[in-house]
Amino acid sequence: QKEVEQNSGPLSVPEGAIASLNCTYSDRGSQSFFWYRQYSGKSPELIMSIYSNGDKEDGRFTAQLNKASQYVSLLIRDSQPSDSATYLCAVILSGGYNKLIFGAGTRLAVHP
Amino acid sequence: KAGVTQTPRYLIKTRGQQVTLSCSPISGHRSVSWYQQTPGQGLQFLFEYFSETQRNKGNFPGRFSGRQFSNSRSEMNVSTLELGDSALYLCASSDSGRNNEQFFGPGTRLTVL
Repeated sequence: QKEVEQNSGPLSVPEGAIASLNCTYSDRGSQSFFWYRQYSGKSPELIMSIYSNGDKEDGRFTAQLNKASQYVSLLIRDSQPSDSATYLCAVILSGGYNKLIFGAGTRLAVHP
Repeated sequence: KAGVTQTPRYLIKTRGQQVTLSCSPISGHRSVSWYQQTPGQGLQFLFEYFSETQRNKGNFPGRFSGRQFSNSRSEMNVSTLELGDSALYLCASSDSGRNNEQFFGPGTRLTVL
């Protein structure tokens, strides 16, 4: 079992819709969770961090964490073509200092 | 604040050579982590330095090494390059302490021929 798992996609949504990206992790002791966006040929860009169960909202983005189910998700409201990118889920395992473990990423395509 | 900078941006080397990559973190950040990104393996953690000490290490061979200087700038070195070392090497910086947000530099694209 991989430590962090994501569907590779592509996830295709129409412009204006809600995109829902999901991630599961194996280490129950994990405390820190991050979503990065990576455009083709560019480096990852931090979108959200979440540390506690529940929802965290920032503009059009909402991160959701459920530690009991070992599940973290990212919702993108009012999706725009400029949101088309690969979204990477990253987790710091228990005792991992700043060691990010990444999922393989989900490719999102927003079509007009 | 200026972001994370990495030099050089592109490198072409041949098998058996060695290479040194450089990373300057965001001003005030004391933690620098290095990652390798390849199409097949995705993003993988190499090592992290904090206050000039290696605090964590990933599952890479000893050919991969790094160091951090007193001004928090970091270098990583790969010796005896192999074709499989061709990758995007990313550096990320964060505030002191654990579990903090990491911000990535633009990366160094290494091609080994």
